[in-house]
Amino acid sequence: DGGITQSPKYLFRKEGQNVTLSCEQNLNHDAMYWYRQDPGQGLRLIYYSQIVNDFQKGDIAEGYSVSREKKESFPLTVTSAQKNPTAFYLCASSRKDRDYNYGYTFGSGTRLTVV
Amino acid sequence: AQKVTQAQTEISVVEKEDVTLDCVYETRDTTYYLFWYKQPPSGELVFLIRRNSFDEQNEISGRYSWNFQKSTSSFNFTITASQVVDSAVYFCALRTKAAGNKLTFGGGTRVLVKP
Repeated sequence: DGGITQSPKYLFRKEGQNVTLSCEQNLNHDAMYWYRQDPGQGLRLIYYSQIVNDFQKGDIAEGYSVSREKKESFPLTVTSAQKNPTAFYLCASSRKDRDYNYGYTFGSGTRLTVV
Repeated sequence: AQKVTQAQTEISVVEKEDVTLDCVYETRDTTYYLFWYKQPPSGELVFLIRRNSFDEQNEISGRYSWNFQKSTSSFNFTITASQVVDSAVYFCALRTKAAGNKLTFGGGTRVLVKP
């Protein structure tokens, strides 16, 4: 079955450390996205990529970095510059730009906690 | 700019009661798509419905129904005869051609159905 796999499900980070969240899709979707969700709040866009080797900042990109070396993969690195990284992170994918009538397919999320 | 507002942060009902979730959107684009997603406690967002700006026909799917009114920029969602399994956070989202692939989410409404 096609879908999006996020790993790990839970991640603990010490202050000052960089951590990388994995997101893999086998849906042959061109576009991929990373969202952050804080308790009781909506989803905020961190980064997105519409094509391999290209990505754009979303609304809250500071302290995060991404890469898109393969169509299937869009890892997110939470750097030490992110002052408040504890949150739930969701990865999503969608068909290419002109098919904007389609929604997204979401992964099951990674819950990151700074200890 | 586009915006989605879900004024209700939390709704609590007793099983079998109906519950209506409000969604108001803002966009200057004449072509756009509206979505509802459900986020159960597991965290993954589940797609419920998509509606385009040219189709104001309301829809019923089982216990779910949607009321789209362009005149008031609203896309409300009703759960009839609610069940405990309906307990989740529900998100309304907007996607426009002008904004490309990006989905703009409302803040979400938490629905708690008590037995």
